[in-house]
Amino acid sequence: GAVVSQHPSWVICKSGTSVKIECRSLDFQATTMFWYRQFPKQSLMLMATSNEGSKATYEQGVEKDKFLINHASLTLSTLTVTSAHPEDSSFYICSARDRLSPSYEQYFGPGTRLTVT
Amino acid sequence: GESVGLHLPTLSVQEGDNSIINCAYSNSASDYFIWYKQESGKGPQFIIDIRSNMDKRQGQRVTVLLNKTVKHLSLQIAATQPGDSAVYFCAENIESRDDKIIFGKGTRLHILP
Repeated sequence: GAVVSQHPSWVICKSGTSVKIECRSLDFQATTMFWYRQFPKQSLMLMATSNEGSKATYEQGVEKDKFLINHASLTLSTLTVTSAHPEDSSFYICSARDRLSPSYEQYFGPGTRLTVT
Repeated sequence: GESVGLHLPTLSVQEGDNSIINCAYSNSASDYFIWYKQESGKGPQFIIDIRSNMDKRQGQRVTVLLNKTVKHLSLQIAATQPGDSAVYFCAENIESRDDKIIFGKGTRLHILP
């Protein structure tokens, strides 16, 4: 099946610094990718839709200047958490849909654990 | 401490028994529904999906039932095995609008030996 990877799998950073997380579709092209955040013992919350070649669209309540999304190619989207604070510590997960597939199945990455100290 | 609302509901099932996990979805306009399995520290894994023009779909050891009248989904797992221990999420989408998948709250499935 289709594979989505994320890098890094975990990261620890100091408060006030920025962290970049990559999401790659390994064997398919994705015009649209999605970024989710998951706090412990909670569900996945959709943060934004990453669109190849255009601006991301953010869900209500998600600060676009804090969570910068860049979808520069059909296989790569990046999420940058700027000026990270401890409350940004979370599990960040991306997903992508194969634009050439008739199926609407989305493929999820393995997640990135961010800890801000 | 944590509030009750932050804890995932847990379903404990004897190994070999059938499991039924329920979900109430929120949007009556949703027309595509998916069940995901998430193991600790990993991303969600697709289990089975169903479109709103169906009320039942079967896979290998799993069955999804959809009741649009009461906006209810269920996932049935036959002959539950230790490897089925995970958190299960239902998710919904409006296919005609966009690809956004919105997740429900989740249920932790605990297998008793």
